[in-house]
Amino acid sequence: IAGITQAPTSQILAAGRRMTLRCTQDMRHNAMYWYRQDLGLGLRLIHYSNTAGTTGKGEVPDGYSVSRANTDDFPLTLASAVPSQTSVYFCASSERADGWFPNSPLHFGNGTRLTVT
Amino acid sequence: ELKVEQNPLFLSMQEGKNYTIYCNYSTTSDRLYWYRQDPGKSLESLFVLLSNGAVKQEGRLMASLDTKARLSTLHITAAVHDLSATYFCAVIFYNNNDMRFGAGTRLTVKP
Repeated sequence: IAGITQAPTSQILAAGRRMTLRCTQDMRHNAMYWYRQDLGLGLRLIHYSNTAGTTGKGEVPDGYSVSRANTDDFPLTLASAVPSQTSVYFCASSERADGWFPNSPLHFGNGTRLTVT
Repeated sequence: ELKVEQNPLFLSMQEGKNYTIYCNYSTTSDRLYWYRQDPGKSLESLFVLLSNGAVKQEGRLMASLDTKARLSTLHITAAVHDLSATYFCAVIFYNNNDMRFGAGTRLTVKP
């Protein structure tokens, strides 16, 4: 089934530890995104990538980094986790993008629930 | 400042009733998305609204866009339990090269 796969599904992480959230898509979409979802705040963009080899910062990029070595994979790394990074993280892709933002509906993965203690 | 405000944030409805969710935004936009999220699940696209006056309908849900008022509505007709979910609007701000989500409206439809 075509779509976006995120791993892990959930994780409890000690503060100060490094963590990489994985995201893979098989739809050959050029544009990919990482969002965090916090109650009452909706979804906020962390980083995006228009195409393989390029990335950009979103609304809340601090403490996070991304890479886009190929079309399918877009990992998100927390270099040194802090409790404020406790959230649900969604990876998304878009068939078309206008600049950085999607020009077609986003396809979302199932999310990673991260707790930083 | 770019803002997207949804209201209400929480909505409890009786089955069979009608209601409207509102999505207001702070500056010029002519592209807006509505998404649905079931508890503990991912988001699914419901509607794309591309121009002033656009109206889209699917089943008991109807979405509209008024770019002059900077307002989109999601109208629920004769609600059923299966519509219980959180609904998000997302607004493209072309002039600001940005896109923002609303905080979401958590809808509960009771028998």
